[in-house]
Amino acid sequence: NAGVTQTPKFRVLKTGQSMTLLCAQDMNHEYMYWYRQDPGMGLRLIHYSVGEGTTAKGEVPDGYNVSRLKKQNFLLGLESAAPSQTSVYFCASSYSRRDGEKLFFGSGTQLSVL
Amino acid sequence: KNEVEQSPQNLTAQEGEFITINCSYSVGISALHWLQQHPGGGIVSLFMLSSGKKKHGRLIATINIQEKHSSLHITASHPRDSAVYICAGGYTGNQFYFGTGTSLTVIP
Repeated sequence: NAGVTQTPKFRVLKTGQSMTLLCAQDMNHEYMYWYRQDPGMGLRLIHYSVGEGTTAKGEVPDGYNVSRLKKQNFLLGLESAAPSQTSVYFCASSYSRRDGEKLFFGSGTQLSVL
Repeated sequence: KNEVEQSPQNLTAQEGEFITINCSYSVGISALHWLQQHPGGGIVSLFMLSSGKKKHGRLIATINIQEKHSSLHITASHPRDSAVYICAGGYTGNQFYFGTGTSLTVIP
């Protein structure tokens, strides 16, 4: 049982390049989230999904797009990377939207934009 | 403005010491989560609580809803407890607000 798997683990981009981060979960979770973690700041929500085929904006969505074509996968795209997007990205999932539902996290993707 | 505040930001303890990490939140929440992030980055959920107290091994989490405050205690600390501990407020719907974390180092 792999839980939440993120790929890649590390990536270096030049300004203006594009890339896609993949998050996969094998727990049949409905809810999936993309967060970014920056020094001195708490995890901030980029986008989230409440089920297959749905996506919604979080706290810091600008410069990112997402897709949830299959329930188990949640993709985060950067169309034109900027140095401000240098961060550690975490995917998370939960079974439902019941208050207090436990979150499961991926191992993170360290992205540097030069 | 941060809805969730943690203290201290950094903490160094000797092995065997009793450790307390505090979390205060400014708005009403439905549940409070304590997370652990080890060097290397992975984040693991330790506790989720909406009232009272929970215990798992040497870890104890408490919450006081009226005071909007939660604490994470570690008894008989060990170097393997060295990690960043993060509290997060869960709100009705899909939003979580995360504290900035407490970096704990336990020295043998």
